[in-house]
Amino acid sequence: GQQVMQIPQYQHVQEGEDFTTYCNSSTTLSNIQWYKQRPGGHPVFLIQLVKSGEVKKQKRLTFQFGEAKKNSSLHITATQTTDVGTYFCAGIGGSLHSNYQLIWGAGTKLIIKP
Amino acid sequence: ETGVTQTPRHLVMGMTNKKSLKCEQHLGHNAMYWYKQSAKKPLELMFVYSLEERVENNSVPSRFSPECPNSSHLFLHLHTLQPEDSALYLCASSQDLGEGTEAFFGQGTRLTVV
Repeated sequence: GQQVMQIPQYQHVQEGEDFTTYCNSSTTLSNIQWYKQRPGGHPVFLIQLVKSGEVKKQKRLTFQFGEAKKNSSLHITATQTTDVGTYFCAGIGGSLHSNYQLIWGAGTKLIIKP
Repeated sequence: ETGVTQTPRHLVMGMTNKKSLKCEQHLGHNAMYWYKQSAKKPLELMFVYSLEERVENNSVPSRFSPECPNSSHLFLHLHTLQPEDSALYLCASSQDLGEGTEAFFGQGTRLTVV
């Protein structure tokens, strides 16, 4: 079945350093969404990418969707303590079956070193 | 506050107990979902309802039984659970099924089966 692999599982950074998480799908995606889950919280929608090669920015966050629509990345510039949490990608497959079902990556946990 | 409310927030139950999780959404959405979140695993979609009709059952054991009496409420009835069922159970809603609809999550119910 369709899978979305997300790496790394954890990333420890010093405050002020950059952070990147990557998602790769086994199949072409229709679109991809990104969510953030704070410790003890629930996933919160950040953004959706739809077009091949699309790049979107939200302040210090940059989201990219690959040309083949099989991979995506989230890059945070100059991390702050408020960025702590787990970042998930979730793709909707391009197949006809379950074209509404989000296929989730396992998440990347961002940890800020004291 | 996401507009999706789950109760209880925490639940400890024995393997012979019967309990129910409740989810209510105040967003006027047409689709509702149950997810299971276990440590170090991707979010697992359990059930999908659209306009009160179940449209997806992802091979979930029969000890989990969903109910959707109306478009605002969703229940997950639990009976004779196993310790490996301990997890965070998240309810979500979206405007409709289909591409491009972001999911709004509740705070989740942390379930421990003893």
